[in-house]
Amino acid sequence: EVQLLESGGGLVQPGEPLRLSCTASGFRFSSFGMSWVRQAPGKGLEWVSGISGSGETTYYGDSVKGWFTISRDNSKNTLYLQTNILRAEDTAVYYCAKAGSTRDWYFDLWGRGTLVTVSS
Amino acid sequence: DIQMTQSPSSLSAFVGDRVTITCRASQSISTYLNWYQQKPGKVPKLLIYTTSNLQSGVPSRFSGSGSGTDFTLTISSLQPEDYASYYCQQSYSSPWTFGQGTKVEIE
Repeated sequence: EVQLLESGGGLVQPGEPLRLSCTASGFRFSSFGMSWVRQAPGKGLEWVSGISGSGETTYYGDSVKGWFTISRDNSKNTLYLQTNILRAEDTAVYYCAKAGSTRDWYFDLWGRGTLVTVSS
Repeated sequence: DIQMTQSPSSLSAFVGDRVTITCRASQSISTYLNWYQQKPGKVPKLLIYTTSNLQSGVPSRFSGSGSGTDFTLTISSLQPEDYASYYCQQSYSSPWTFGQGTKVEIE
């Protein structure tokens, strides 16, 4: 079955780090770019970060540049998001999403999301 | 960064109505414009990619058009299951920004 499954979310205190994971199955993981997209409670979608299929190229949104690090392990079909010094405004559901094409960055497959709550 | 602006932010329409949602980019994005549907409590779903290509399994009442900076998503005959929020997203250049969303309610 083609699917993405996120993990690693939870309640964290401001300033603490967190690592999110996304395990892929059912498709050739290394062939496709992957992204993280988040959605704060009651708000819209915000693209966070992306990484090429090989892992050589990474992309970041302005709000997380310098704070978050995206990576992937193609041998494990897993995508990661390392979040450092979390702030209350980072509270959101974090989705991993697969690029629909090797040459375009629309997202044709989404995980169910993992909730990150930053609060003391 | 490219800003994406959708209008309206919300709308209410009757079953059977033709509904149009507009998305405007702050600079030309060619046809690198995509649309997603998100039902309450659910995961976003790709509807249309590269302006006008219908994703597999999406009903033909959904269509997209436009180029450059102005794009539209049209639902030709609104159905009860179309109650959702709709988001445009540009994939022309990073960061791959989304519009703020349009909430569609059924009258």
